[in-house]
Amino acid sequence: KNQVEQSPQSLIILEGKNCTLQCNYTVSPFSNLRWYKQDTGRGPVSLTIMTFSENTKSNGRYTATLDADTKQSSLHITASQLSDSASYICVVSAMDSNYQLIWGAGTKLIIKP
Amino acid sequence: KAGVTQTPRYLIKTRGQQVTLSCSPISGHRSVSWYQQTPGQGLQFLFEYFSETQRNKGNFPGRFSGRQFSNSRSEMNVSTLELGDSALYLCASSLPPGQVYSGANVLTFGAGSRLTVL
Repeated sequence: KNQVEQSPQSLIILEGKNCTLQCNYTVSPFSNLRWYKQDTGRGPVSLTIMTFSENTKSNGRYTATLDADTKQSSLHITASQLSDSASYICVVSAMDSNYQLIWGAGTKLIIKP
Repeated sequence: KAGVTQTPRYLIKTRGQQVTLSCSPISGHRSVSWYQQTPGQGLQFLFEYFSETQRNKGNFPGRFSGRQFSNSRSEMNVSTLELGDSALYLCASSLPPGQVYSGANVLTFGAGSRLTVL
């Protein structure tokens, strides 16, 4: 069964600190993996998208990694800011005829001053 | 370039009523998908439309339906509302699914329609 699991479920860190969010998936065949940021009450916004051949991609202070062998991805946030408080969602696209997207439940990140 | 527009943003209904939500995609985007998000839950896929045809459908009862018009605008309808239908309903648009390998098929979401069923 295609699944995406994220950890931790929630995380609280102090402003300025770094953090890493995890995503494990069992999606086959794999097409690509995306990370989205969702502010409370808003729609998700794309941060990165990685295909099978890419193992790291950065977007400002956000760096995503992908290990296709172990089927794991991480999202590293550097020098956190209050505006980073949001839910971060990992989404994996299956390379099937419907390009099915399998959504993780997200990690809720809270940045405290 | 205008983003994805969803209307209404907020609405309150009572059990048994029906509701229609609207989504206008980004100009040039022909694929529209709908998601339900309840508190503490991940996004649950409802359905996806491309060129006025439903391509994919999630595991929701038949009370949930949708359609897409020739201008790519989409509507979803929920009939016989239940308390559990209270949620944020999100619409996302993208380029045609066939371009997924180029990485171009990134979903752009609207701000959502928050439905409260009393």
